[in-house]
Amino acid sequence: RKEVEQDPGPFNVPEGATVAFNCTYSNSASQSFFWYRQDCRKEPKLLMSVYSSGNEDGRFTAQLNRASQYISLLIRDSKLSDSATYLCVVNPASNTGKLIFGQGTTLQVKP
Amino acid sequence: SQTIHQWPATLVQPVGSPLSLECTVEGTSNPNLYWYRQAAGRGLQLLFYSVGIGQISSEVPQNLSASRPQDRQFILSSKKLLLSDSGFYLCAWSDQGYEQYFGPGTRLTVT
Repeated sequence: RKEVEQDPGPFNVPEGATVAFNCTYSNSASQSFFWYRQDCRKEPKLLMSVYSSGNEDGRFTAQLNRASQYISLLIRDSKLSDSATYLCVVNPASNTGKLIFGQGTTLQVKP
Repeated sequence: SQTIHQWPATLVQPVGSPLSLECTVEGTSNPNLYWYRQAAGRGLQLLFYSVGIGQISSEVPQNLSASRPQDRQFILSSKKLLLSDSGFYLCAWSDQGYEQYFGPGTRLTVT
């Protein structure tokens, strides 16, 4: 079983749609969680951290379910500029700060 | 604010030639530093990480090596490149184990 698993997609949605990505992780001791965004041929960029209580940043909402070892990202009112690959990332309780990256979910927003 | 630089941006090298990629970070002290490789259409593979000057941990045995001669400088090297070394090489930094921030990357093609 992979340490961090994501549905690779692609998710093809029209502008204005709401889309949700899911991610599961295998290490129950994992401490912190993130979503990164990676545009084609660019470096990953931090989109948001994921907190236990859930958190929202504009059109983006992240949720964490520790019992199910499950993380989600919800994007509302999708824009063309949201087209990218979204990486689910987990810190497996290491003091080195090593992160485990999922393979990514590709989103394509169509006009 | 912190910035991270990588060079060169692109590189085409023949099989068997040496490699040296450099990464520098500004605006922070004693960061954790990381080297990743991303093969075409694949996820991020952690190659090396460093928690301090001269302290290097290798994640994947291969013909690459890393060095950290100064606090904010991280170098990735190879004595003889293989075709399989082609990929997108990313350097990242973190502040004692939290979110990681990536440089713009070096796209390496081994011919």
